[in-house]
Amino acid sequence: KAGVTQTPRYLIKTRGQQVTLSCSPISGHRSVSWYQQTPGQGLQFLFEYFSETQRNKGNFPGRFSGRQFSNSRSEMNVSTLELGDSALYLCASSLGQGLYEQYFGPGTRLTVT
Amino acid sequence: QKEVEQNSGPLSVPEGAIASLNCTYSDRGSQSFFWYRQYSGKSPELIMSIYSNGDKEDGRFTAQLNKASQYVSLLIRDSQPSDSATYLCAVNKDNFNKFYFGSGTKLNVKP
Repeated sequence: KAGVTQTPRYLIKTRGQQVTLSCSPISGHRSVSWYQQTPGQGLQFLFEYFSETQRNKGNFPGRFSGRQFSNSRSEMNVSTLELGDSALYLCASSLGQGLYEQYFGPGTRLTVT
Repeated sequence: QKEVEQNSGPLSVPEGAIASLNCTYSDRGSQSFFWYRQYSGKSPELIMSIYSNGDKEDGRFTAQLNKASQYVSLLIRDSQPSDSATYLCAVNKDNFNKFYFGSGTKLNVKP
């Protein structure tokens, strides 16, 4: 079974621009979570989608948003990019909500200049 | 207080030894616990999950959970240089997939 895929793998953007990242979960998985990983803050939860609805949100500004489609694929968008948004963005999928394991994709490395 | 705490290391062990990694969590109501391994420049890879008190073994890996003391540990037997990585402890506090991660412990296994 194919794992979680994320596109693009690398991205360079300029301050003020916006960016959209894509995630395809493992087949059959209905929950998709997004995380930001930086050397200083570690892995931080952004939001989680289940059945096309955002069920949980972390402590990030409204510039960070996402959505999930009927096929469970998910996108996250960051508007008005700041230098501090440079990070590895990770998507994780799980079968459902509750006591399920999460599996991570390879991540998208975003650099904001 | 952080939700999940880990010693950042590095923890150095010789090849063939047992590596012991520890993690504490703050919310007594936490329900599920996970260990991930992350190689430099890569994404986290799930190693073990544990949900009830006691030990859970999978190959060279053993996860231990003690809910009364609010700690989770990971033992790696017969450590190999390929085990050198950062090990992340994650806790799911409720029935939603909002995992809290520790900052990770860097493990070095010396040949």
